Amino acid sequence: NAGVTQTPKFRILKIGQSMTLQCAQDMNHNYMYWYRQDPGMGLKLIYYSVGAGITDKGEVPNGYNVSRSTTEDFPLRLELAAPSQTSVYFCASSQLGQGENIQYFGAGTRLSVL
Amino acid sequence: QQQVKQSPQSLIVQKGGISIINCAYENTAFDYFPWYQQFPGKGPALLIAIRPDVSEKKEGRFTISFNKSAKQFSLHIMDSQPGDSATYFCAARVAGYSTLTFGKGTMLLVSP
Repeated sequence: NAGVTQTPKFRILKIGQSMTLQCAQDMNHNYMYWYRQDPGMGLKLIYYSVGAGITDKGEVPNGYNVSRSTTEDFPLRLELAAPSQTSVYFCASSQLGQGENIQYFGAGTRLSVL
Repeated sequence: QQQVKQSPQSLIVQKGGISIINCAYENTAFDYFPWYQQFPGKGPALLIAIRPDVSEKKEGRFTISFNKSAKQFSLHIMDSQPGDSATYFCAARVAGYSTLTFGKGTMLLVSP
């Protein structure tokens, strides 16, 4: 049981390039989330999904896109990368939306845009 | 705007001491308050959580104190150990939603 797996672990992009951050979970969780973490700023929600085919914007969605075609996978797409997107990205999943909503996080993807 | 304000930004505690991290909120619709622990190079992991119908929850050396009237909650780490050195995030969730709003984090260093 691997939990939440994120790939790649590190990536350097040039301004204007695009890439997809991969996230997969093997816990059969319906809820999945993408966060970015910047130093001293906590975790900011980018997008989230409550099930396959359903996604919604979080606090900082601009410059990103997501899709959720299966329960297991929730990729995050960066189009036209900008230096402001330099950050550490975390994917998380949870079984419940309510109650003891424990979010399980992946190990993160560290992205630099130069 | 949903906000959770966390303090201090960083904290240094001697081994065996008590670490205290505070959070405050304004939105009375929050109904779930978890604390997450993050070690360098790792993702956050749930440490302990509380609902607003109780004033305190204890798990081992970790205790959440909750003051509903003041809209504040805090994490107390008793007998702090060097292995507790990590970044701690408080968070809150609005009733009826699945998403969490996180504080900015507290970097704790427990000196040997």
